[in-house]
Amino acid sequence: SAVISQKPSRDICQRGTSLTIQCQVDSQVTMMFWYRQQPGQSLTLIATANQGSEATYESGFVIDKFPISRPNLTFSTLTVSNMSPEDSSIYLCSAGDSPGQSPLHFGNGTRLTVT
Amino acid sequence: GQQVMQIPQYQHVQEGEDFTTYCNSSTTLSNIQWYKQRPGGHPVFLIQLVKSGEVKKQKRLTFQFGEAKKNSSLHITATQTTDVGTYFCAGPTGGSTLGRLYFGRGTQLTVWP
Repeated sequence: SAVISQKPSRDICQRGTSLTIQCQVDSQVTMMFWYRQQPGQSLTLIATANQGSEATYESGFVIDKFPISRPNLTFSTLTVSNMSPEDSSIYLCSAGDSPGQSPLHFGNGTRLTVT
Repeated sequence: GQQVMQIPQYQHVQEGEDFTTYCNSSTTLSNIQWYKQRPGGHPVFLIQLVKSGEVKKQKRLTFQFGEAKKNSSLHITATQTTDVGTYFCAGPTGGSTLGRLYFGRGTQLTVWP
């Protein structure tokens, strides 16, 4: 199964700043996704990171707020822009070959606190 | 939009008791997956069910997929403290072509020794 490295593992940021989270997979994967998880809550899909093209965002999430890059099949970044305290959450990178049809593997997550 | 409902939200049991969590979808699912998230950890894949009425077992864990492929359950027999965590079901909604996986709200299991 794929091993996913995500960094930073945690950060405390000031309101109005931006943070970029990096996700590295140890093997080529077809699909990569970004989820958000509030403490004690479920996982909410933010977007699908598409290799070589613009990400596909879920309802309620927009590119200006959460720009995503995926320059190749093993790497993706998520930026949380112009942060507010409401953005405080755990952000999880995930990857799989055919998610929805095959298992998803997750990174350890980035715990973001916005003050 | 996605509709994967999961109950109960919390379950507290004494070690040795059984535990069950239920998952329901408003649409037919091509498959359903189950994940476990330990406190402070990330979700880890447990199993995938594909066939109508399918039942799979992993030691003390029994997973079932409903005949209509709209519901599923996870049953743990004789819980142990190592079973502590949140159990999520997840499924692609019908008609999805991008392979997006949507998660239920999860059931947080606490086991008293």
